[in-house]
Amino acid sequence: GAVVSQHPSRVICKSGTSVKIECRSLDFQATTMFWYRQFPKKSLMLMATSNEGSKATYEQGVEKDKFLINHASLTLSTLTVTSAHPEDSSFYICSAQTLAGGKEQYFGPGTRLTVT
Amino acid sequence: TQLLEQSPQFLSIQEGENLTVYCNSSSVFSSLQWYRQEPGEGPVLLVTVVTGGEVKKLKRLTFQFGDARKDSSLHITAAQPGDTGLYLCAGPGGGYQKVTFGTGTKLQVIP
Repeated sequence: GAVVSQHPSRVICKSGTSVKIECRSLDFQATTMFWYRQFPKKSLMLMATSNEGSKATYEQGVEKDKFLINHASLTLSTLTVTSAHPEDSSFYICSAQTLAGGKEQYFGPGTRLTVT
Repeated sequence: TQLLEQSPQFLSIQEGENLTVYCNSSSVFSSLQWYRQEPGEGPVLLVTVVTGGEVKKLKRLTFQFGDARKDSSLHITAAQPGDTGLYLCAGPGGGYQKVTFGTGTKLQVIP
């Protein structure tokens, strides 16, 4: 149980274009999903907290107009990187918290974004 | 701000050796989780410890939560190449619903 999927797993885009990444909880409902960014050999950096039906809460230093988050249902959150630049290239990981139980987060497999 | 410091940062050992990874904080956590992440993948939850002094075993992995719930350790017995990965501890904190992640320990087990 507690499976989270991400799509796409890898994406290459040109500078100036936008990219949408989907995060789905496959076998449970998640009122809260999180988006992280991870640099090589580093720990996860929280970008934003996404709550179903409400606006996302962004961490300090994360541009909300650049990283658009939509949490339209209890099983789907999307992250759109707008007007992408090479410095946006990174590994983006989402996670979902179950409605019941503790604070465990279940992670998606990640999306490798490369902006050329 | 709740911080979780992990040590060592990097560890390279031979297959069959034992190792311990530490996760320390000056703050008290209601629970701590341990994750393992392989390159190009998302972190996978290994265990959650909740009670101070608690010890949990997962095959060759032994997890312990400190009595004061400020620290935790992960001990691996007879490490295997399949244990290679980034180990992350994490605990609730940093804000409502949020989880604070440790700095990470990158383990390499050489055959």
